[in-house]
Parts: sequence; C-alpha cells; structure tokens
Amino acid sequence: KNQVEQSPQSLIILEGKNCTLQCNYTVSPFSNLRWYKQDTGRGPVSLTIMTFSENTKSNGRYTATLDADTKQSSLHITASQLSDSASYICVVSDRGSTLGRLYFGRGTQLTVWP
Amino acid sequence: EADIYQTPRYLVIGTGKKITLECSQTMGHDKMYWYQQDPGMELHLIHYSYGVNSTEKGDLSSESTVSRIRTEHFPLTLESARPSHTSQYLCASISSDEQFFGPGTRLTVL
Repeated sequence: KNQVEQSPQSLIILEGKNCTLQCNYTVSPFSNLRWYKQDTGRGPVSLTIMTFSENTKSNGRYTATLDADTKQSSLHITASQLSDSASYICVVSDRGSTLGRLYFGRGTQLTVWP
Repeated sequence: EADIYQTPRYLVIGTGKKITLECSQTMGHDKMYWYQQDPGMELHLIHYSYGVNSTEKGDLSSESTVSRIRTEHFPLTLESARPSHTSQYLCASISSDEQFFGPGTRLTVL
C-alpha cells in the first residue's frame, strides 16, 4: 500500500532555532517528492520538489534532502521565524503528476514561539 | 504566485441547502483537482478533470459533483448539504510538474 508518513506530528521551537521534519514513504514507482507549506486556512504552497536523482534542494532557509534508497526525506529549517509557523506537508508522486497520482502525508504542525 | 481563486473563502449553511463552490484559474491549465481536507488530516482527492468536458471521481467517495465547461472554471456542487460535509475544500491546477493550490473554502454545515 502506497503511504506517506510524517514525523513528528507537531513541533514547537523557539524563534531562531533550527529544526528537521521527517517524511518516510512507500510509494512505488517513485517519480518525485514535494514539500509544501500550508498556513492555517490557506492552500499549500510549494517549497521544493525533488526527483529520484536529486539528494538535496534548497529554497532560502528551507533545505530538503532525499534518500531514494531508504525512501526517506527531510526538511530542514534554519534560523526559524515566527512566520514559519504552519503545517508542512510531504507529497510523493508515483509517475509524474501529469499521469500519476499524488500521495499526501498528514503534515507536521510547526509552531515557532518568540 | 499562482493565479487560482476560490470563492467563497468561508461558508456556513443549513442542512439540505444546495451550494456551489467556485474555482477559477487564469493560467490556462488543463488539469484541475478538488481535494477535501479535515483538520490535521491529509488531503483527499475527490474530483479531477483533464480538460473541458472531462470529469472523474477521485479516491475519496464524495456526494458532490463537478463540471468543466470552460478551461478556467471548475465548480463543485453539493445538491443537499449535510453536517458530514463540513470540511475544507481545496482546488488545484497543474502545469508541467508543479501543482498550484487555491486558498480553500472552509465549509460548515449546521
């Protein structure tokens, strides 16, 4: 069964600290993996997208890693800001989004305190 | 920033009412999607369309219906709303390998 599991379910950190969110998947065949940021009451916004051959990708203070062998990904947030408070969703595509399906994780709810 | 719009953003209605959630995109994308999301839960695909006059049901069974008469417009209709329909509904469209989401409609059925 194709699944995407994220951990932790929720996380609270102090402003300025770093954190790492985890995503494990069993989706096969694998096409790409995305990380989205979803603010409360809003639609998800794409942070990074990685294909099988990519190990790491950065977008500002966000750095995603991918280990396609172990089917694990992580999202590292550096020097957190209050505006980073949101849900971070891992999404895996099985054959490319034009033909394949998207599998969504439940997200990690990140809260950044001042 | 993606040009995909949803209206209304929030809606509170009584049981048995007919409602239509609007979704429009100005990017000319052929593929559009409707997702349902409960708090703290993953997105579930309920409908999708690959172009004008094309509509398909998604993974999650839904009593809603959709139509695709124009490329830019993909409305979702509930003929008779029930409390179990209370949820957030997200519309999305796709370009190449990137999916863009609308801001969502938060629906509450009393």
